[in-house]
Amino acid sequence: AQTVTQSQPEMSVQEAETVTLSCTYDTSESNYYLFWYKQPPSRQMILVIRQEAYKQQNATENRFSVNFQKAAKSFSLKISDSQLGDTAMYFCAFAPRKRSGGSNYKLTFGKGTLLTVNP
Amino acid sequence: NAGVTQTPKFRILKIGQSMTLQCTQDMNHNYMYWYRQDPGMGLKLIYYSVGAGITDKGEVPNGYNVSRSTTEDFPLRLELAAPSQTSVYFCAISRNGGRQPQHFGDGTRLSIL
Repeated sequence: AQTVTQSQPEMSVQEAETVTLSCTYDTSESNYYLFWYKQPPSRQMILVIRQEAYKQQNATENRFSVNFQKAAKSFSLKISDSQLGDTAMYFCAFAPRKRSGGSNYKLTFGKGTLLTVNP
Repeated sequence: NAGVTQTPKFRILKIGQSMTLQCTQDMNHNYMYWYRQDPGMGLKLIYYSVGAGITDKGEVPNGYNVSRSTTEDFPLRLELAAPSQTSVYFCAISRNGGRQPQHFGDGTRLSIL
């Protein structure tokens, strides 16, 4: 079984600054996917970024980037130039990769980190 | 394109009642999922479907049933509502190839009293 741990229940950052959210996971799988999802007050779940564990290069999406440390089983999210619209709950998630590619469909989520961006 | 539509948005049930949460998609994605989100927690997978006629259990299937007669619809059934099923329920879809959910519905907030 997989577990995902987000050790920071809440964080805050000033607008335009950079913040890093932590995520660690535990698995015996060698190939898998990792994700960060954002859930704003509207409650909608939005995929922020995705990392494939067999790729060494860290994923980036505009102001969002990850620091993936496979040996340490760590997957942190860095948000640069924070904006007020980044205020949300952020969830780290894990899914094993099938031998045939793709995932086995079963996401395991962490408990989330509530990020508040202050003006 | 509405994406994923969940109805109702809110519902209060009495213990022992039954109801069906509806999920409809207009993106022609094969994969559909039901999650529940309890307060202060991440999402947990209840059931999923890889295509019409095919469903399978997720992490927390007890007390729920699903069916997938069409590509578009994936209803979630609660037969005997219990207070432990008070939660926010999300339906999600993903495109062919087994890629993970990328499109979520807005959720259904369900309270069992």
